[in-house]
Amino acid sequence: LAKTTQPISMDSYEGQEVNITCSHNNIATNDYITWYQQFPSQGPRFIIQGYKTKVTNEVASLFIPADRKSSTLSLPRVSLSDTAVYYCLPTFSGGYNKLIFGAGTRLAVHP
Amino acid sequence: SQTIHQWPATLVQPVGSPLSLECTVEGTSNPNLYWYRQAAGRGLQLLFYSVGIGQISSEVPQNLSASRPQDRQFILSSKKLLLSDSGFYLCACHQGGYEQYFGPGTRLTVT
Repeated sequence: LAKTTQPISMDSYEGQEVNITCSHNNIATNDYITWYQQFPSQGPRFIIQGYKTKVTNEVASLFIPADRKSSTLSLPRVSLSDTAVYYCLPTFSGGYNKLIFGAGTRLAVHP
Repeated sequence: SQTIHQWPATLVQPVGSPLSLECTVEGTSNPNLYWYRQAAGRGLQLLFYSVGIGQISSEVPQNLSASRPQDRQFILSSKKLLLSDSGFYLCACHQGGYEQYFGPGTRLTVT
Protein backbone atom coordinates (compact mmCIF):
# COMPACT_ATOMS: atom_id res chain seq x y z
CA LEU A 1 0.00 0.00 0.00
CA ALA A 2 1.34 3.40 -0.96
CA LYS A 3 2.37 5.67 1.89
CA THR A 4 2.64 9.38 1.20
CA THR A 5 4.95 12.00 2.68
CA GLN A 6 4.23 15.71 2.45
CA PRO A 7 5.62 18.76 4.24
CA ILE A 8 3.62 19.44 7.38
CA SER A 9 3.27 23.14 6.66
CA MET A 10 4.17 25.84 4.18
CA ASP A 11 3.94 29.61 4.14
CA SER A 12 3.48 31.86 1.15
CA TYR A 13 2.35 35.34 0.19
CA GLU A 14 -0.45 36.50 -2.02
CA GLY A 15 0.38 36.41 -5.70
CA GLN A 16 3.15 33.82 -5.40
CA GLU A 17 3.21 30.38 -6.95
CA VAL A 18 3.14 27.54 -4.45
CA ASN A 19 4.44 24.06 -5.12
CA ILE A 20 3.63 21.24 -2.72
CA THR A 21 5.45 17.99 -3.30
CA CYS A 22 4.25 14.59 -2.17
CA SER A 23 6.39 11.48 -2.23
CA HIS A 24 4.80 8.07 -2.80
CA ASN A 25 7.63 5.64 -3.38
CA ASN A 26 5.62 2.42 -3.61
CA ILE A 27 2.70 3.62 -5.62
CA ALA A 28 0.86 0.87 -7.49
CA THR A 29 0.72 0.66 -11.26
CA ASN A 30 -3.02 1.30 -11.27
CA ASP A 31 -2.90 4.18 -8.79
CA TYR A 32 -3.85 7.66 -9.82
CA ILE A 33 -2.73 10.59 -7.67
CA THR A 34 -5.48 12.82 -6.37
CA TRP A 35 -5.13 16.06 -4.45
CA TYR A 36 -7.75 17.42 -2.10
CA GLN A 37 -8.18 20.76 -0.38
CA GLN A 38 -9.77 21.15 3.03
CA PHE A 39 -10.93 24.32 4.74
CA PRO A 40 -11.69 24.38 8.48
CA SER A 41 -14.98 22.74 9.41
CA GLN A 42 -15.52 21.43 5.88
CA GLY A 43 -14.94 18.13 4.17
CA PRO A 44 -12.07 17.83 1.70
CA ARG A 45 -12.85 18.69 -1.88
CA PHE A 46 -11.26 17.43 -5.05
CA ILE A 47 -8.70 19.67 -6.72
CA ILE A 48 -6.96 17.65 -9.40
CA GLN A 49 -5.99 14.14 -10.41
CA GLY A 50 -3.35 12.65 -12.66
CA TYR A 51 -1.49 9.52 -13.61
CA LYS A 52 1.66 10.72 -15.32
CA THR A 53 3.25 13.90 -16.75
CA LYS A 54 1.25 17.10 -16.34
CA VAL A 55 -2.40 17.86 -15.78
CA THR A 56 -3.84 21.35 -15.57
CA ASN A 57 -7.27 22.65 -14.71
CA GLU A 58 -8.69 26.03 -13.78
CA VAL A 59 -7.45 25.71 -10.20
CA ALA A 60 -4.06 24.01 -10.27
CA SER A 61 -1.46 21.98 -12.14
CA LEU A 62 -0.18 18.57 -11.22
CA PHE A 63 3.24 17.30 -12.23
CA ILE A 64 4.05 13.60 -11.99
CA PRO A 65 7.47 12.44 -13.21
CA ALA A 66 7.98 9.29 -15.23
CA ASP A 67 8.93 7.18 -12.21
CA ARG A 68 5.73 8.31 -10.42
CA LYS A 69 7.45 8.26 -7.05
CA SER A 70 6.40 11.81 -6.35
CA SER A 71 3.95 14.43 -7.49
CA THR A 72 3.86 18.21 -7.21
CA LEU A 73 0.75 20.31 -6.87
CA SER A 74 1.26 23.79 -8.25
CA LEU A 75 -1.03 26.64 -7.24
CA PRO A 76 -0.46 29.72 -9.39
CA ARG A 77 -0.77 33.16 -7.81
CA VAL A 78 -2.22 32.12 -4.48
CA SER A 79 -4.63 34.31 -2.57
CA LEU A 80 -5.65 34.39 1.08
CA SER A 81 -8.54 32.07 0.26
CA ASP A 82 -6.08 29.33 -0.68
CA THR A 83 -5.13 28.97 2.98
CA ALA A 84 -6.12 25.37 3.66
CA VAL A 85 -4.81 21.85 4.20
CA TYR A 86 -3.81 19.98 1.05
CA TYR A 87 -3.81 16.19 0.86
CA CYS A 88 -2.10 13.95 -1.65
CA LEU A 89 -3.80 10.61 -2.06
CA PRO A 90 -3.05 7.60 -4.24
CA THR A 91 -6.31 6.13 -5.48
CA PHE A 92 -5.82 2.83 -3.74
CA SER A 93 -3.95 4.27 -0.78
CA GLY A 94 -5.44 1.80 1.63
CA GLY A 95 -6.10 -1.03 -0.73
CA TYR A 96 -9.09 -1.33 -3.00
CA ASN A 97 -12.17 0.39 -1.55
CA LYS A 98 -10.16 2.03 1.24
CA LEU A 99 -9.00 5.61 0.94
CA ILE A 100 -6.48 6.57 3.59
CA PHE A 101 -5.57 10.21 4.05
CA GLY A 102 -2.19 11.28 5.36
CA ALA A 103 -1.58 14.31 7.55
CA GLY A 104 -1.61 16.73 4.64
CA THR A 105 0.18 20.05 4.17
CA ARG A 106 -1.10 23.10 5.97
CA LEU A 107 -0.64 26.07 3.64
CA ALA A 108 -0.83 29.56 5.09
CA VAL A 109 -1.04 32.45 2.64
CA HIS A 110 -0.11 35.85 4.06
CA PRO A 111 -1.03 39.30 2.76
CA SER B 1 -22.91 14.71 -9.51
CA GLN B 2 -23.14 13.16 -6.09
CA THR B 3 -24.48 15.02 -3.06
CA ILE B 4 -24.00 13.88 0.49
CA HIS B 5 -26.24 14.94 3.35
CA GLN B 6 -25.28 14.63 6.98
CA TRP B 7 -27.15 15.48 10.11
CA PRO B 8 -27.05 16.88 12.58
CA ALA B 9 -24.52 19.58 11.77
CA THR B 10 -23.49 19.99 15.39
CA LEU B 11 -24.11 17.89 18.45
CA VAL B 12 -23.24 18.18 22.13
CA GLN B 13 -23.65 14.99 24.10
CA PRO B 14 -22.71 13.94 27.64
CA VAL B 15 -20.29 11.11 28.28
CA GLY B 16 -22.08 7.77 28.34
CA SER B 17 -24.94 8.85 26.11
CA PRO B 18 -25.78 7.11 22.81
CA LEU B 19 -25.01 8.49 19.39
CA SER B 20 -26.55 8.23 15.96
CA LEU B 21 -25.22 10.14 12.97
CA GLU B 22 -26.86 9.74 9.60
CA CYS B 23 -25.53 10.13 6.11
CA THR B 24 -27.50 9.90 2.88
CA VAL B 25 -26.26 10.10 -0.68
CA GLU B 26 -27.98 11.42 -3.79
CA GLY B 27 -27.06 11.17 -7.43
CA THR B 28 -25.51 7.74 -7.49
CA SER B 29 -26.24 4.11 -6.74
CA ASN B 30 -24.19 1.37 -5.12
CA PRO B 31 -21.45 3.70 -3.92
CA ASN B 32 -18.68 2.87 -1.50
CA LEU B 33 -19.41 4.78 1.70
CA TYR B 34 -16.99 5.94 4.38
CA TRP B 35 -16.98 7.44 7.84
CA TYR B 36 -13.98 9.54 8.82
CA ARG B 37 -13.23 11.36 12.04
CA GLN B 38 -11.04 14.39 12.36
CA ALA B 39 -9.81 15.61 15.73
CA ALA B 40 -9.03 19.29 16.09
CA GLY B 41 -5.98 20.22 14.02
CA ARG B 42 -5.41 16.65 12.90
CA GLY B 43 -5.81 14.60 9.74
CA LEU B 44 -8.68 12.36 8.72
CA GLN B 45 -8.96 8.98 10.38
CA LEU B 46 -10.87 6.31 8.48
CA LEU B 47 -13.35 4.65 10.85
CA PHE B 48 -15.57 2.46 8.64
CA TYR B 49 -16.21 1.77 5.01
CA SER B 50 -18.92 -0.12 3.20
CA VAL B 51 -19.06 -1.56 -0.30
CA GLY B 52 -22.72 -2.54 -0.14
CA ILE B 53 -25.85 -2.92 1.98
CA GLY B 54 -25.05 -4.66 5.24
CA GLN B 55 -21.33 -4.83 4.45
CA ILE B 56 -19.23 -2.92 6.96
CA SER B 57 -15.48 -2.94 7.46
CA SER B 58 -14.04 -1.44 10.61
CA GLU B 59 -10.67 0.21 10.58
CA VAL B 60 -10.26 1.21 14.20
CA PRO B 61 -11.42 -0.86 17.19
CA GLN B 62 -13.46 1.40 19.42
CA ASN B 63 -16.89 1.92 20.86
CA LEU B 64 -18.35 3.06 17.55
CA SER B 65 -20.28 0.99 15.04
CA ALA B 66 -21.68 1.57 11.58
CA SER B 67 -24.59 0.22 9.61
CA ARG B 68 -25.82 0.49 6.05
CA PRO B 69 -29.51 -0.38 6.02
CA GLN B 70 -30.08 1.00 2.52
CA ASP B 71 -27.89 1.51 -0.53
CA ARG B 72 -27.48 5.23 0.01
CA GLN B 73 -27.74 5.43 3.78
CA PHE B 74 -24.86 5.08 6.20
CA ILE B 75 -25.26 5.38 9.97
CA LEU B 76 -22.62 5.81 12.66
CA SER B 77 -23.62 4.81 16.18
CA SER B 78 -22.38 4.42 19.68
CA LYS B 79 -24.03 2.99 22.77
CA LYS B 80 -21.93 5.01 25.18
CA LEU B 81 -19.88 8.01 24.13
CA LEU B 82 -16.41 8.73 25.48
CA LEU B 83 -14.71 12.09 25.74
CA SER B 84 -12.27 10.91 23.08
CA ASP B 85 -15.15 10.53 20.60
CA SER B 86 -15.28 14.30 20.20
CA GLY B 87 -14.39 15.43 16.72
CA PHE B 88 -15.55 16.28 13.25
CA TYR B 89 -17.26 13.33 11.55
CA LEU B 90 -17.31 13.18 7.81
CA CYS B 91 -19.24 10.87 5.54
CA ALA B 92 -17.84 10.28 2.07
CA CYS B 93 -18.69 8.30 -1.02
CA HIS B 94 -16.61 6.93 -3.83
CA GLN B 95 -17.79 5.06 -6.86
CA GLY B 96 -15.53 3.49 -9.42
CA GLY B 97 -14.02 6.76 -10.51
CA TYR B 98 -11.23 8.32 -8.63
CA GLU B 99 -12.81 11.24 -6.85
CA GLN B 100 -14.18 10.96 -3.35
CA TYR B 101 -17.06 13.23 -2.35
CA PHE B 102 -17.51 14.43 1.21
CA GLY B 103 -20.50 15.58 3.16
CA PRO B 104 -20.64 18.79 5.22
CA GLY B 105 -19.71 16.98 8.43
CA THR B 106 -21.03 16.75 11.98
CA ARG B 107 -19.14 18.39 14.79
CA LEU B 108 -19.56 16.28 17.92
CA THR B 109 -18.59 17.55 21.35
CA VAL B 110 -18.73 15.06 24.19
CA THR B 111 -18.88 16.76 27.59
